[in-house]
Amino acid sequence: NAGVTQTPKFQVLKTGQSMTLQCAQDMNHEYMSWYRQDPGMGLRLIHYSVGAGITDQGEVPNGYNVSRSTTEDFPLRLLSAAPSQTSVYFCASSYGGEGAQYFGPGTRLLVL
Amino acid sequence: AQSVTQLGSHVSVSEGALVLLRCNYSSSVPPYLFWYVQYPNQGLQLLLKYTSAATLVKGINGFEAEFKKSETSFHLTKPSAHMSDAAEYFCAVYNAGNMLTFGGGTRLMVKP
Repeated sequence: NAGVTQTPKFQVLKTGQSMTLQCAQDMNHEYMSWYRQDPGMGLRLIHYSVGAGITDQGEVPNGYNVSRSTTEDFPLRLLSAAPSQTSVYFCASSYGGEGAQYFGPGTRLLVL
Repeated sequence: AQSVTQLGSHVSVSEGALVLLRCNYSSSVPPYLFWYVQYPNQGLQLLLKYTSAATLVKGINGFEAEFKKSETSFHLTKPSAHMSDAAEYFCAVYNAGNMLTFGGGTRLMVKP
C-alpha cells in the first residue's frame, strides 16, 4: 500500500494564481481531511470529508475549495492564491472520525 | 469544541534522560486523545491514542502517555531519550464532526 500520497511536494505561485493540491489514499478510508501547518500554530483543519460526495468546512476554510467524487481522492483547490496561504499542507485519512489519522508527506506552498 | 494546550514549545534533554512533554485538554466528556510525531520534512506519524480503555497508553518507540482526568492532562513520557527522538510532537483531541484539533507542538531536542 502506498498509504496517503500528495502531489506536488513543492510549489511556488504568484498572487492570484490558482492551483490544485492532489491527495489520494489506497486504504479505503471514508474520512479524509486537509490541514495547514504554520510555525507555532500546530495543524489547522481546512476542509474534511466523511465519504464520497460529502464535504464540510473546518477551522480555516476561506480561500479553499474541495470536492470528493471518489473514496480515493480528495483534491484541495486554491482559487486565487494569496501570500497568507504560504504554508505546508497535509492530507490525512482515517476509518472514522475518531480513528487514527494517516498523513501524507505534505506539500510546501510558497505564494509570492 | 474541545482543545489541547501543549506547555513548552521547545524541550531539551540529554541523551538517556527522561522525556516529559506536557499536554492538557479541555473537555467536559471523556475525549479521544492522540500524540503524533513529526520528523523533519515529513508528515505526522501516530505515536499513541487514548480511547478510555486504559489510562496508561503505550505507543511506539518506547513512548507512553497517562490520561489523568483530575488534572485534564495527557502527558507524553519516555524513560530514556535517544538521539533519534529529536522531532516535533503534537497532542491532538478528536472533535465530533470536526476531525482533530492539534496543540501548537513541542520541539524536542536531544543533546549528546
